[in-house]
Amino acid sequence: AQSVSQHNHHVILSEAASLELGCNYSYGGTVNLFWYVQYPGQHLQLLLKYFSGDPLVKGIKGFEAEFIKSKFSFNLRKPSVQWSDTAEYFCAVIIGSGNTGKLIFGQGTTLQVKP
Amino acid sequence: EPEVTQTPSHQVTQMGQEVILRCVPISNHLYFYWYRQILGQKVEFLVSFYNNEISEKSEIFDDQFSVERPDGSNFTLKIRSTKLEDSAMYFCASSDPGVSYTFGSGTRLTVV
Repeated sequence: AQSVSQHNHHVILSEAASLELGCNYSYGGTVNLFWYVQYPGQHLQLLLKYFSGDPLVKGIKGFEAEFIKSKFSFNLRKPSVQWSDTAEYFCAVIIGSGNTGKLIFGQGTTLQVKP
Repeated sequence: EPEVTQTPSHQVTQMGQEVILRCVPISNHLYFYWYRQILGQKVEFLVSFYNNEISEKSEIFDDQFSVERPDGSNFTLKIRSTKLEDSAMYFCASSDPGVSYTFGSGTRLTVV
């Protein structure tokens, strides 16, 4: 079965540190890739998505992600985190092309940024 | 920016009772979904709905669950006889080809 793996379950960083959260998926065909953020007590918000084209995708709040097809990876990065980035981060995929169909989520990574 | 609206934000119900969770998807979206997130766990797909019928459902979505689009705007999830393990955050989402997949703010269901 298709799955999404996020390697880091809990990450603690100081402000201004650089962030990279790993995401791998298990499917050999076409996928659409997403990163969502969930701030404490709030709903899922889309950070960025990749459908096709440039594999380096820029999202909101200074986040970016790189799709490396050969590694089945879609890692999330931010050069300098802020305390307000403290949240849960979820990688997700849709199998196939298009923006419809079920999202398969990773287990999430809790990011704690210390001021 | 268009939003997916869910009501109520929090529902407490007794085990065995029926609950209906309500969602208003983005008006020009045609694909609708329900997901759930048990506390401390990942978000899980329950069901997708398109053209007035279920297009896909997970093994979680058993006979106790049903979905309906009773009118042109609402999309509901019904749990017929709630169990303790149904306690979770339930998220509605909608999407359309080429348009962002948008989630609602969720309904926290607590079964006591």
